[in-house]
Amino acid sequence: EVQLVQSGTEVKKSGESLTISCKGSGYSFRNYWITWVRQVPGRGLEWVGRIDPSDSQTRYSPSLQGHVTISTDASIFTAYLHWNNLKASDTAVYYCAKGAYALDVWGQGTTVSVSS
Amino acid sequence: DIVMTQSPLSLPVSPGESASISCRSSQSLLYSNGYNYLDWYLQKPGQSPQLLIYLGSIRASGVPDRFIGNGSGTDFTLEISRVEAEDVGVYYCMQGQQTPLTFGGGTKVDLK
Repeated sequence: EVQLVQSGTEVKKSGESLTISCKGSGYSFRNYWITWVRQVPGRGLEWVGRIDPSDSQTRYSPSLQGHVTISTDASIFTAYLHWNNLKASDTAVYYCAKGAYALDVWGQGTTVSVSS
Repeated sequence: DIVMTQSPLSLPVSPGESASISCRSSQSLLYSNGYNYLDWYLQKPGQSPQLLIYLGSIRASGVPDRFIGNGSGTDFTLEISRVEAEDVGVYYCMQGQQTPLTFGGGTKVDLK
C-alpha cells in the first residue's frame, strides 16, 4: 500500500524553529515529487511548495519563500518542512502529498499551532 | 499567479440527484501537449483531501464513474450524478499548469 505518514502535532511559540516530516512507503520515493499543502483552520487549501527527491530541486510559494525550507533524505524516504522563525500566522494543518500535480496520495496531516 | 474561482460556495443536494460545480481559471490551463492541468479534490469531513480527477477529465484510481470532469482552457466543471451520502464534503479545483499551484476556494456539498 502506498502511504505517506507524517509526524505528530506540534505546539510552539513565535520565533521558535520547527521541522515536520513525511515518510513515504510502498512506492519508489525518488521517482515522485513531494508537495506540501497547508490549511488554516476553517479555510481552504494553500500550496506551500514541492521537492524532487531525486535531485532535491525545490519550488516554493512566493509568499513563503525564505520563510520555509523543504528538504528530503531519499535514503530514508522522508521529506521535511522546516521553519527557522515561526509566526502565529503559520498555525495550520500541513499536508504532504505525492506528485507535482495530480496529488494522488496524501499524508494524514500535521497540526502546527504557534502562539504569540 | 493563476486565480481559480469556484462556484457555488455551497451546494445542498438530495440523495440520488445530480450536482455540478464550476471552476474558472484566470489563465488557460491547456498545455502544448493537449492536456489541461486541472485537478479536482474532495475533502471529506475530518479527512485529508483525496484526488478525484486529474488532467481535467481523467478519474483517479478507484473513483466511481459518477464523477465526471469536463472543460478546457479556462472553464471546467465537475459533474456528480446520483449523489450519495459518502460524497459529502468540500470540493476543490487546483491548477497544475504553473507554480505557484493554486486552489479554488472550495464548494461545500451536503445533503438536503
